[in-house]
Amino acid sequence: EAGVTQFPSHSVIEKGQTVTLRCDPISGHDNLYWYRRVMGKEIKFLLHFVKESKQDESGMPNNRFLAERTGGTYSTLKVQPAELEDSGVYFCASSPFPSGTVYEQYFGPGTRLTVT
Amino acid sequence: DAKTTQPNSMESNEEEPVHLPCNHSTISGTDYIHWYRQLPSQGPEYVIHGLTSNVNNRMASLAIAEDRKSSTLILHRATLRDAAVYYCILRERDDKIIFGKGTRLHILP
Repeated sequence: EAGVTQFPSHSVIEKGQTVTLRCDPISGHDNLYWYRRVMGKEIKFLLHFVKESKQDESGMPNNRFLAERTGGTYSTLKVQPAELEDSGVYFCASSPFPSGTVYEQYFGPGTRLTVT
Repeated sequence: DAKTTQPNSMESNEEEPVHLPCNHSTISGTDYIHWYRQLPSQGPEYVIHGLTSNVNNRMASLAIAEDRKSSTLILHRATLRDAAVYYCILRERDDKIIFGKGTRLHILP
């Protein structure tokens, strides 16, 4: 069974540009999460989808970040316009059961975003 | 945010057991204790979780204190591939993960 995949693995963009990160969860997983680690800090939660609905977006830093999960399969995270402080590693995770059960999250390898 | 306390780093010799401690004195009755680890250049990886009783799986064992205010992750025979940052996390059911700083485990050959 394929794990969580993320694309690209690394992106280098200039300040002010737009970048779109993609996450493909494990097939059949209803829950999809985005996290990020900025330089020197801890991994922080960004948001949680249940199928195509946003369950919790309390961690989204500002309105320059837009996450979508059309059709309840893959998800994209767009940063527009990117700022220097957005540099970091963005992780996606998925889990198989609907909310309300205890289950592990499966993480992807991350996308390293560098804003110059 | 993070409601757990872990040592910043630990060292262990290869092929010896490793005991990684975690304090969570403010744990609530509905919090599950989870452990994840992050190997270099990889995403976090689930290790084990428990509620009240000790737990074993193919990767590790989790020993939970009777009052649940602390727990210990036990790697029975550490290998070089176990060198990682280990995170002790409290989660209420299928909730988001709140990561702390974790413990960086160094394995000496």
